[in-house]
Amino acid sequence: DQQVKQNSPSLSVQEGRISILNCDYTNSMFDYFLWYKKYPAEGPTFLISISSIKDKNEDGRFTVFLNKSAKHLSLHIVPSQPGDSAVYFCAASAVGTYKYIFGTGTRLKVLA
Amino acid sequence: DGGITQSPKYLFRKEGQNVTLSCEQNLNHDAMYWYRQDPGQGLRLIYYSQIVNDFQKGDIAEGYSVSREKKESFPLTVTSAQKNPTAFYLCASGGGGRETQYFGPGTRLLVL
Repeated sequence: DQQVKQNSPSLSVQEGRISILNCDYTNSMFDYFLWYKKYPAEGPTFLISISSIKDKNEDGRFTVFLNKSAKHLSLHIVPSQPGDSAVYFCAASAVGTYKYIFGTGTRLKVLA
Repeated sequence: DGGITQSPKYLFRKEGQNVTLSCEQNLNHDAMYWYRQDPGQGLRLIYYSQIVNDFQKGDIAEGYSVSREKKESFPLTVTSAQKNPTAFYLCASGGGGRETQYFGPGTRLLVL
């Protein structure tokens, strides 16, 4: 049972436009979320986090939105750059646990 | 430089052989984690350790073993009981609890 789902395996966006990566979760106990970026044959790099007490967190070109009622979060990248081309993972953690559950990832390709 | 190192980058295992993957961190993090990534799948937690001399099984611990004798080191042994060991293995460390996890560069394990 996949508790964290990234239903779009891939996404292509023109350079300079907005990239929106989506993540859905099923466990209502999840209350802390992370986004990671991963290049091939490398470890994931932490991008941004959000706690369930907030509905938005921003860091430079990256903004994460959380809709608790829909159990949905999204990562917005504006403007998208070719260097953003990578696989993006969302991860969720439940209250009282030390574990993160990762989604299957979305491959973003930013076209020059 | 502070960071997480994993060695080797590539590792080959023969049938019936145990192999050990190294993970070292100099970030003074209390917690360390091992994940496995298979093509088209997210990261799945194998083992984690919140403190020296203590560790817990993750979601797919069968066929693996770990030790945590030093804060800086968390080696993973892939035993002969792991029937499908071919994967990309990622080590991470963090401040513990639900603090952000930071990843090493990974080790790709292949079976001869």
